[in-house]
Amino acid sequence: DAKTTQPNSMESNEEEPVHLPCNHSTISGTDYIHWYRQLPSQGPGYVIHGLTSNVNNRMASLAIAEDRKSSTLILHRATLRDAAVYYCILREGTGNQFYFGTGTSLTVIP
Amino acid sequence: DTEVTQTPKHLVMGMTNKKSLKCEQHMGHRAMYWYKQKAKKPPELMFVYSYEKLSINESVPSRFSPECPNSSLLNLHLHALQPEDSALYLCASSQARGPGNTIYFGEGSWLTVV
Repeated sequence: DAKTTQPNSMESNEEEPVHLPCNHSTISGTDYIHWYRQLPSQGPGYVIHGLTSNVNNRMASLAIAEDRKSSTLILHRATLRDAAVYYCILREGTGNQFYFGTGTSLTVIP
Repeated sequence: DTEVTQTPKHLVMGMTNKKSLKCEQHMGHRAMYWYKQKAKKPPELMFVYSYEKLSINESVPSRFSPECPNSSLLNLHLHALQPEDSALYLCASSQARGPGNTIYFGEGSWLTVV
């Protein structure tokens, strides 16, 4: 029941910014946008989340479109350790559903 | 303590065996989740417990039987599995209410059915 669309893969050069896009055209007013990433052989880990306003934390920034139908995860300086699959997920306001989309596999080139 | 601990890390079982996967968290979370992940695929939601009660079952076959004995523990009982059930099984937890709450995942249990 994935409600997000992401590119299958992206590449970035090390130490350059990376913009990972996500479309979620059916988002409802109470859905939060979450980003998780999964490193090889590990469980997914939290990156950032937001509702309407842009968000920053020590790992990344989240830019949310004004109509909330898309968002972009920004890694300011990619490192080799950022190579992972990045998932954009809508968390519904009413329940505990948390469905993963197909994700974007990020390759960082030294 | 922001950990979700899963045991065992690796499990090999025959199709006639009965085994269990275990998950534990001590963050006071009242929602716990089981996901199944096949290679190069995203995690698929199987079950959700909220306040120790099963709230979501994503039409999972009955050979998978979840159990939530208390607010810190979540088990997944396995019986008569098929080779196609071989996968990474992920446990997760979160505060039960609020879509803005973070979900914490364990490292997973790698299951091989022979």
